[in-house]
Amino acid sequence: EIHLVESGGGLVQPGGSLRLSCSASGFGFPTYVMHWVRQPPGKGLEFVSSLSSNAYTTSYTDSVKGRFTISRDNSQNTLYLQMSSLRLEDTAVYYCVNSRTGRYFESWGQGTLVTVSS
Amino acid sequence: EIVLTQSPGTLSLSPGERATLSCRASQSVTSSSFAWYQQKPGQAPRLLIYGTSTRAAGIPDRFSGSGSGTDFTLTISRLDPEDFAVYYCQHYGNSLWTFGQGTKVEIK
Repeated sequence: EIHLVESGGGLVQPGGSLRLSCSASGFGFPTYVMHWVRQPPGKGLEFVSSLSSNAYTTSYTDSVKGRFTISRDNSQNTLYLQMSSLRLEDTAVYYCVNSRTGRYFESWGQGTLVTVSS
Repeated sequence: EIVLTQSPGTLSLSPGERATLSCRASQSVTSSSFAWYQQKPGQAPRLLIYGTSTRAAGIPDRFSGSGSGTDFTLTISRLDPEDFAVYYCQHYGNSLWTFGQGTKVEIK
């Protein structure tokens, strides 16, 4: 059974930093594209970032470019999202998601809540 | 950038009825990169349909997807009480992943 467990969320002040982690099991992590998708409270889904299986290719939504960095450790089956210069509008539940082809989002974690507030 | 517009915003139906959800793209998109998700309150989304019409593993056959070009449809043939949820369409193209704003299917 596939498990994706996010951690690292919490309350942070505007301008602060946070690192999210996603521990994966139950599938061939090194062969999958991995994504972060977020959902602000009461709102819809938004793609945040994607990382190819070999970690060579990254994608980011425009609003986080230059502030967020996605990375992975294939030896530890773990995905990361380093978030800096956080803004109020970054407040959301952040989901870790896997994808064999990269085109759609297959298995989702339960999410970790990031709250940016002063 | 492609914009996906879902309609209606809310669909009020009774169990056993047929639900038809629409997703319109702002320009023609690749059918192989179109998907639908279901999200229940307090839960993570779940992949229902990918490649426009292929059901994901474990998805009941009352769910079906169709469409091409700019118009895509998710149909639930007979609503089960567990189907009342929010549904999102999604497209991938040119390293951009886009979601629609969602359609809520509620109990009438």
